[in-house]
Amino acid sequence: SAVISQKPSRDICQRGTSLTIQCQVDSQVTMMFWYRQQPGQSLTLIATANQGSEATYESGFVIDKFPISRPNLTFSTLTVSNMSPEDSSIYLCSVEPSANTGELFFGEGSRLTVL
Amino acid sequence: SQKIEQNSEALNIQEGKTATLTCNYTNYSPAYLQWYRQDPGRGPVFLLLIRENEKEKRKERLKVTFDTTLKQSLFHITASQPADSATYLCALESRGGYQKVTFGTGTKLQVIP
Repeated sequence: SAVISQKPSRDICQRGTSLTIQCQVDSQVTMMFWYRQQPGQSLTLIATANQGSEATYESGFVIDKFPISRPNLTFSTLTVSNMSPEDSSIYLCSVEPSANTGELFFGEGSRLTVL
Repeated sequence: SQKIEQNSEALNIQEGKTATLTCNYTNYSPAYLQWYRQDPGRGPVFLLLIRENEKEKRKERLKVTFDTTLKQSLFHITASQPADSATYLCALESRGGYQKVTFGTGTKLQVIP
């Protein structure tokens, strides 16, 4: 299993600003995943973050808008840049602590509201 | 295009009955299928995983079936309880390529006492 801490848990941001979300895991993991969950919607994968290499972004998501850092095997950050109201969403960090089990563990999410 | 479809309408059932949720997918070759539970304001919690070569998997009051011919999974909760009320998400990981889990839209289950 894995315990994932995300910060901030929620924030209210002004249009045009950027916010960085932190994700800390209590064990070393190879890959960390960042998801977005818009109001009333399911989860959409933004990118996969490997330690020591650039993140892999899904279609519709770009590094300039969602830069990701992965400095070590227990930590990652996701920045939401130049925010607009459309970025209001819950952002979730996820890991698969046991390789090839398929079981994902999620943080509690960071709820962002952009005014 | 690839789709994972779950009944978007909420499912209301009486306590003690069996709840059955459906997950249909198109244009996927899943290595396995997973079910998660999500409570309001919380991250999803893993419940069960079933592989493409398995027909059925059970865990306590939960049962999952997987029909790769019909491209469908059924998720059953027997002897349902009000505490089972939540949104249930189906998720697939495709065979081949890099690891990526895609989620369905979820079905909200309400168990009525």
